[in-house]
Amino acid sequence: AQKVTQAQTEISVVEKEDVTLDCVYETRDTTYYLFWYKQPPSGELVFLIRRNSFDEQNEISGRYSWNFQKSTSSFNFTITASQVVDSAVYFCALSGGSSNTGKLIFGQGTTLQVKP
Amino acid sequence: EAGVTQFPSHSVIEKGQTVTLRCDPISGHDNLYWYRRVMGKEIKFLLHFVKESKQDESGMPNNRFLAERTGGTYSTLKVQPAELEDSGVYFCASSHRQVPGANVLTFGAGSRLTVL
Repeated sequence: AQKVTQAQTEISVVEKEDVTLDCVYETRDTTYYLFWYKQPPSGELVFLIRRNSFDEQNEISGRYSWNFQKSTSSFNFTITASQVVDSAVYFCALSGGSSNTGKLIFGQGTTLQVKP
Repeated sequence: EAGVTQFPSHSVIEKGQTVTLRCDPISGHDNLYWYRRVMGKEIKFLLHFVKESKQDESGMPNNRFLAERTGGTYSTLKVQPAELEDSGVYFCASSHRQVPGANVLTFGAGSRLTVL
């Protein structure tokens, strides 16, 4: 069975601090995809990144970076120099399987509050 | 390009009443998904349409839920009769790739359902 665990329910930081959101996944598939989505107060889920299981390179996009480690089944997300606009709920998700239909398995989400 | 549109944004109904949620996917997207988030828990998959056909409805909670996608365009999700535990946020997402497993799903802002 597939499962995604985001152990951090809520995180509060002060602006300009770095913060890491943890994501641990379980799957028996050899081919799978990992995602991060952001849910700002407006409600919609905004896509941030997709990673496939064969690409373990870390990725950096501006203040955002992602650390994918298959050995520990983790796909952590770091925000450097956090800003108030980063306040949102962040979801990690997984899709995969031989008959992958695109169905996403989500973690419970981490609520990030960045205080000025 | 217009995003995924969901209506209503918020619905408050009494237990036993009926509610119909609507989703307009991005034009040309064959894949349409419904998800639900209940009380701060993980976002859970409900079902997946490919055009007008139900590809996977394994996440539908029970027969009080009925989803349709006539003509392969917009979709409706009807809850009849609604129960207290149906309260939550219902998300719709769509994608166009022919290899759905690699899809990036575009989500709507969700329809919040409150059952009193």
